[in-house]
Amino acid sequence: SQQGEEDPQALSIQEGENATMNCSYKTSINNLQWYRQNSGRGLVHLILIRSNEREKHSGRLRVTLDTSKKSSSLLITASRAADTASYFCATEETSGSRLTFGEGTQLTVNP
Amino acid sequence: DTGVSQDPRHKITKRGQNVTFRCDPISEHNRLYWYRQTLGQGPEFLTYFQNEAQLEKSRLLSDRFSAERPKGSFSTLEIQRTEQGDSAMYLCASKGSGVLNTEAFFGQGTRLTVV
Repeated sequence: SQQGEEDPQALSIQEGENATMNCSYKTSINNLQWYRQNSGRGLVHLILIRSNEREKHSGRLRVTLDTSKKSSSLLITASRAADTASYFCATEETSGSRLTFGEGTQLTVNP
Repeated sequence: DTGVSQDPRHKITKRGQNVTFRCDPISEHNRLYWYRQTLGQGPEFLTYFQNEAQLEKSRLLSDRFSAERPKGSFSTLEIQRTEQGDSAMYLCASKGSGVLNTEAFFGQGTRLTVV
């Protein structure tokens, strides 16, 4: 079964608006990471938050982590058309070294 | 280019044929992963190497799939007797070890089409 589940599956917003994506997971983790994927391409690492951290910022990205609820959120502020892509959360479990990905959120930013 | 490279980028093969993909990780990374991704889905873990040792294999990796990393550098993923259900993007990623090396770097993938 999938470790990470993103919500919503698809999100369509206007340029300049904020986009929020959520991720839930099931097991204990070392860290949670967010990746971006443009259509038909490889994944690009965006940001990582460790299990002992609650919030992290990187440019227009803000990630939160609630280990008690086993959930994370990714906020993209002031979205741009170039942010259109699929966004995946991935967890690195404490039991091993694999990264387990969710199903992703397809974000469309309309100009 | 010092990123992760995969070869070929695209492969079309007839059902029943064998195919082999190659991944060259970032040179100082000792961890290497293979994932499979189908359209509209997230990457599914297939297998993981630390140096030349294959430490973990997914249940998805049937006996038709085999992966090697003979010298702890590049890796190959072979699919024998391909089936149409094997059509997917095969992604390779590499990562260093240690507390500071937590980001996985992905290649552009090999898109396999089985006809």
